Amino acid sequence: DADVTQTPRNRITKTGKRIMLECSQTKGHDRMYWYRQDPGLGLRLIYYSFDVKDINKGEISDGYSVSRQAQAKFSLSLESAIPNQTALYFCATSDVLADSYNEQFFGPGTRLTVL
Amino acid sequence: KNEVEQSPQNLTAQEGEFITINCSYSVGISALHWLQQHPGGGIVSLFMLSSGKKKHGRLIATINIQEKHSSLHITASHPRDSAVYICAVSVRGSGGGADGLTFGKGTHLIIQP
Repeated sequence: DADVTQTPRNRITKTGKRIMLECSQTKGHDRMYWYRQDPGLGLRLIYYSFDVKDINKGEISDGYSVSRQAQAKFSLSLESAIPNQTALYFCATSDVLADSYNEQFFGPGTRLTVL
Repeated sequence: KNEVEQSPQNLTAQEGEFITINCSYSVGISALHWLQQHPGGGIVSLFMLSSGKKKHGRLIATINIQEKHSSLHITASHPRDSAVYICAVSVRGSGGGADGLTFGKGTHLIIQP
């Protein structure tokens, strides 16, 4: 079984709809991250969380919100989806013991299309 | 903000060739990562390094901290090496732990039989 899972894997939605992407991990890691990947732009950080009570904005947090429901679960929400949020979204985890190295373990990705 | 530049953006080579992908960054880092992304999207970590050189099978990664530069080499390349290779850096955050990674745009490698 995969250590980091994302649901759904693919989603097509319409402009203005609320969307939630979910991430679960069985690695026991405290740190979780949400990234989006766009062709030609690479991966960019949306939000990250060091534990349930610690949520931080990343480079491109506008238009997104997150919820860390438990150590193992980190959800990303688009309150009112817009077409330029069409992208591939990745969740990742890392172990606080990794400290400065911050090796990250990625989920399989969610392909989101906003029409 | 750290800028991460990779070159080349695209690379097509013949099976067996020696491959080099380069990465440069603009500010000090705690570690540099090389990641591999196959068609279909999955991302896996190949290397993390903060100094010197690491080798896994046919893959070699080097870093020069003074020059803020890293290279990923593939020896005896094979079609199954075809993938996007991504350089990323991590920087120790103000909270004492590492914030998220900053990524290069990736190098799309195709190895032809």
